[in-house]
Amino acid sequence: QKEVEQDPGPLSVPEGAIVSLNCTYSNSAFQYFMWYRQYSRKGPELLMYTYSSGNKEDGRFTAQVDKSSKYISLFIRDSQPSDSATYLCAPSDPQGGKLIFGQGTELSVKP
Amino acid sequence: GAGVSQSPSNKVTEKGKDVELRCDPISGHTALYWYRQSLGQGLEFLIYFQGNSAPDKSGLPSDRFSAERTGGSVSTLTIQRTQQEDSAVYLCASGGTDQETQYFGPGTRLLVL
Repeated sequence: QKEVEQDPGPLSVPEGAIVSLNCTYSNSAFQYFMWYRQYSRKGPELLMYTYSSGNKEDGRFTAQVDKSSKYISLFIRDSQPSDSATYLCAPSDPQGGKLIFGQGTELSVKP
Repeated sequence: GAGVSQSPSNKVTEKGKDVELRCDPISGHTALYWYRQSLGQGLEFLIYFQGNSAPDKSGLPSDRFSAERTGGSVSTLTIQRTQQEDSAVYLCASGGTDQETQYFGPGTRLLVL
């Protein structure tokens, strides 16, 4: 079993929809949880991160961590075609900070 | 300011040849990471440098892979005697002393024929 599990999709939604992207993880020592967005043939771009359990909001994006269930979520409100990309969840290993990536979810927002 | 840069952007090589991939981190960043992204395996950690500390090489898949970081800045990832399974996108990221933020370069696409 992988340390971080993420449904690869693809996920297709109409413009304006609320999108929910999710990951589960197995290592209870994880404290920092990142979300990256990756456009085709580009490097991953840091969207936001949270520390421990709780919510964090940045514009149309909300990241949520529930450490009791080892569940990570990213919500996108009022989704736009420009949000079409692969979204990667990545907890940070407390020993050194390397990122442990999920497989990524491919999102397509249709106009 | 300038982000992480990597060169070359694309590399095609023949099986058995050695390749060198370069990463220029963001100025002032003390941490530098190499990752590999392939279709079957997703994004995997390879090696990590932090300041003058000994690198964490725990992700290197074989002894054909090595990396160095000169002067705490530029890093080179070397793959000796390349194999077809080495074909992937090699990504470099840099960050500060915190664990929250790693900024990625555009990657080097390596194809081994």
